[in-house]
Amino acid sequence: DTGVSQDPRHKITKRGQNVTFRCDPISEHNRLYWYRQTLGQGPEFLTYFQNEAQLEKSRLLSDRFSAERPKGSFSTLEIQRTEQGDSAMYLCASSSPQGSGELFFGEGSRLTVL
Amino acid sequence: EDQVTQSPEALRLQEGESSSLNCSYTVSGLRGLFWYRQDPGKGPEFLFTLYSAGEEKEKERLKATLTKKESFLHITAPKPEDSATYLCAVRMDTGRRALTFGSGTRLQVQP
Repeated sequence: DTGVSQDPRHKITKRGQNVTFRCDPISEHNRLYWYRQTLGQGPEFLTYFQNEAQLEKSRLLSDRFSAERPKGSFSTLEIQRTEQGDSAMYLCASSSPQGSGELFFGEGSRLTVL
Repeated sequence: EDQVTQSPEALRLQEGESSSLNCSYTVSGLRGLFWYRQDPGKGPEFLFTLYSAGEEKEKERLKATLTKKESFLHITAPKPEDSATYLCAVRMDTGRRALTFGSGTRLQVQP
């Protein structure tokens, strides 16, 4: 399968714990995006990387959130001191510089904070 | 602030009953309007990109159209497997790469 891969698919944690999600984009895609989606809502933009550079960050990305993309390949999204309001689906997407701008999404990582 | 509004929030159709979903946007300088399909518990699946007013794209029972202020996703003779949430997203002419999404229309097609 050559699509966007996310891990883990599901994560249940207790409030106050740290969690990390990983995203492996489509191999030839140099652009990578993180979104958050809650029930009944559309995806909300969190951050964007072009290669290893983090070029855009949403105001939703509080100081408890950090994202990295070392070497411009896979990316990680870490949430520190989780809160119940962090419960959501975290979606990763990638896009090609030769494409028409469309994003290709992974299956998401669902976080439940108890 | 740029906004994307989708209507209706939910739509229930009988199999074979054609209808349209609406996506209206208030953005300055549209660089693209995107339609996605999302099944429960899955990531959004890309369907279409539209760039200019008057443009149309088709895929099986789906046809997307674009005007200066809105887009329609027409579903002709839908089948139960077309049941999903349909999301609309826009990219603005501001140098931002990220897409801004609407809240989606939840479509249920009953046999």
